[in-house]
Amino acid sequence: NAGVTQTPKFQVLKTGQSMTLQCAQDMNHNSMYWYRQDPGMGLRLIYYSASEGTTDKGEVPNGYNVSRLNKREFSLRLESAAPSQTSVYFCASRGAGRGYTFGSGTRLTVV
Amino acid sequence: TQLLEQSPQFLSIQEGENLTVYCNSSSVFSSLQWYRQEPGEGPVLLVTVVTGGEVKKLKRLTFQFGDARKDSSLHITAAQPGDTGLYLCAGPEINSGGSNYKLTFGKGTLLTVNP
Repeated sequence: NAGVTQTPKFQVLKTGQSMTLQCAQDMNHNSMYWYRQDPGMGLRLIYYSASEGTTDKGEVPNGYNVSRLNKREFSLRLESAAPSQTSVYFCASRGAGRGYTFGSGTRLTVV
Repeated sequence: TQLLEQSPQFLSIQEGENLTVYCNSSSVFSSLQWYRQEPGEGPVLLVTVVTGGEVKKLKRLTFQFGDARKDSSLHITAAQPGDTGLYLCAGPEINSGGSNYKLTFGKGTLLTVNP
């Protein structure tokens, strides 16, 4: 099993450009999450989806949108990238247990 | 806001040494989890502790949940270079149960074990 797959692994954007980060899980999990990880700030929740068809804001949602396309896929979109969105982005999923399964991350630089 | 404070922030030791890292909060948690994150990868779940006073062992790693469920510790015996990584503790946000379940994370302890 692949677990949680994120694409792309690396991306450089110019300020104002848009892009979509893709996330897919093959564990039949209901809940999916997007976090960003910054030095000294830890992991901060951007958006989450408790189940297919629902999405909710987390701690730092401004500048982002999400789509839960189906049970497997949860995408994160930056409509107009800003340098403050330079970060490492992690997607995670959760099944019946308490623990998360994380993807390997997308390293985004906005110049 | 529930905060999880981890200490120390950085720890560099020699292979074979023992170490303990801490995760503390002023809030009570129903459970706490520990993750390890290696460079360039996502966090990987190591253990979940649920009962106050609970001790769990994973090979050379010993995890303890405080009696009052406000703190946890991770003790590594005879550390090896393969233990190098960022150790994160996490607990469920208040009122986040069922399908609304969300974790809040500490900022982590960055451990380096030198050969």
